[in-house]
Amino acid sequence: GAGVSQSPSNKVTEKGKDVELRCDPISGHTALYWYRQSLGQGLEFLIYFQGNSAPDKSGLPSDRFSAERTGGSVSTLTIQRTQQEDSAVYLCASSLWGFTDTQYFGPGTRLTVL
Amino acid sequence: DAKTTQPTSMDCAEGRAANLPCNHSTISGNEYVYWYRQIHSQGPQYIIHGLKNNETNEMASLIITEDRKSSTLILPHATLRDTAVYYCIVSRGNQFYFGTGTSLTVIP
Repeated sequence: GAGVSQSPSNKVTEKGKDVELRCDPISGHTALYWYRQSLGQGLEFLIYFQGNSAPDKSGLPSDRFSAERTGGSVSTLTIQRTQQEDSAVYLCASSLWGFTDTQYFGPGTRLTVL
Repeated sequence: DAKTTQPTSMDCAEGRAANLPCNHSTISGNEYVYWYRQIHSQGPQYIIHGLKNNETNEMASLIITEDRKSSTLILPHATLRDTAVYYCIVSRGNQFYFGTGTSLTVIP
């Protein structure tokens, strides 16, 4: 079956512009996660959606970052007024029930802010 | 305030067992230990997880000490395709803290 997909695979933008990153989780998975991985670093948790519950936004680094999950499926991570330090690979994962279940990761979106 | 500590890098000869250690001395009673790995330029891949009993699956074995303060991931017969960064994770609330992991290089 289809795994987690993300688009675009690469995004180059200018400092100050807004970007939207998309994640399509595995069908039927109720939990969805966003992580950020800067060059040579481990994964940094950003946000976690579980069903219809309010998302856990505690990992978002600033108010320029926001995320939505529509209809319990597709999610969009939005970064406003991008900065060079936002350059990273943004990874999305989904799991069947919650964060203790196996997380299946997408290939990531590589964001470069010039 | 990492909840896990791992060696930065390790080498292993092809065909031999790779033993990757992890310390998680502050683990709570109901927190699981998870292992994921990340092959270059790919998203992380689940390997195994456990609570207090040793676990084995088709990929690896997980040995957790009786006090649960450390664990070891064992790849019984390492292949070149096992070269990756291995992350030992203990959940923190609703979050997985991946840390920087152990970079395992399998040598021919």
